[in-house]
Amino acid sequence: DTGVSQDPRHKITKRGQNVTFRCDPISEHNRLYWYRQTLGQGPEFLTYFQNEAQLEKSRLLSDRFSAERPKGSFSTLEIQRTEQGDSAMYLCASSLTGGGAPQHFGDGTRLSIL
Amino acid sequence: TQLLEQSPQFLSIQEGENLTVYCNSSSVFSSLQWYRQEPGEGPVLLVTVVTGGEVKKLKRLTFQFGDARKDSSLHITAAQPGDTGLYLCAGTSYNQGGKLIFGQGTELSVKP
Repeated sequence: DTGVSQDPRHKITKRGQNVTFRCDPISEHNRLYWYRQTLGQGPEFLTYFQNEAQLEKSRLLSDRFSAERPKGSFSTLEIQRTEQGDSAMYLCASSLTGGGAPQHFGDGTRLSIL
Repeated sequence: TQLLEQSPQFLSIQEGENLTVYCNSSSVFSSLQWYRQEPGEGPVLLVTVVTGGEVKKLKRLTFQFGDARKDSSLHITAAQPGDTGLYLCAGTSYNQGGKLIFGQGTELSVKP
């Protein structure tokens, strides 16, 4: 299966620590998206890449958050100095370019801040 | 700010019943996607609709995109326990890079 994969699936850390998540998209997809989902809510857009270029960042993405996609393939999302409010499911999706191109999601990384 | 209002938020029905989930907005969307999500997993795409008035069927699921491309509905006929899950609508807008704006989701429980 060559779907979107995310690592780790779960991360538990103490407040103030830094964490990094990885996303491997479907290989031929040039667009990669990050979303955050809290319990009982729909996902919220964080940022997206077209190949290696980060084209948009949501205002939800504070200075503590940074995302990269250095070679236009996998992507990482880092959160520095984690806070309780960062606890959420972080979802990655990929797609081809084009209006209405369906996005395919990974199973997410569940982050819990102690 | 574009918003998608999804209703109802929770739905608990008996096996065999029909149901409809609604997704409404004051904004026009270039396309609308419906996803189903199970606990601990990512959303799985069910359908994409792009043309106003479009109707798509997926077995017992019928999806409709409003004529003005501001609203959509999902109708399930003869629901089964396997339909249980979180249903999400999500829209994309022109020149927005394809990012999805999600509704709050509808938590469906189908009891045998």
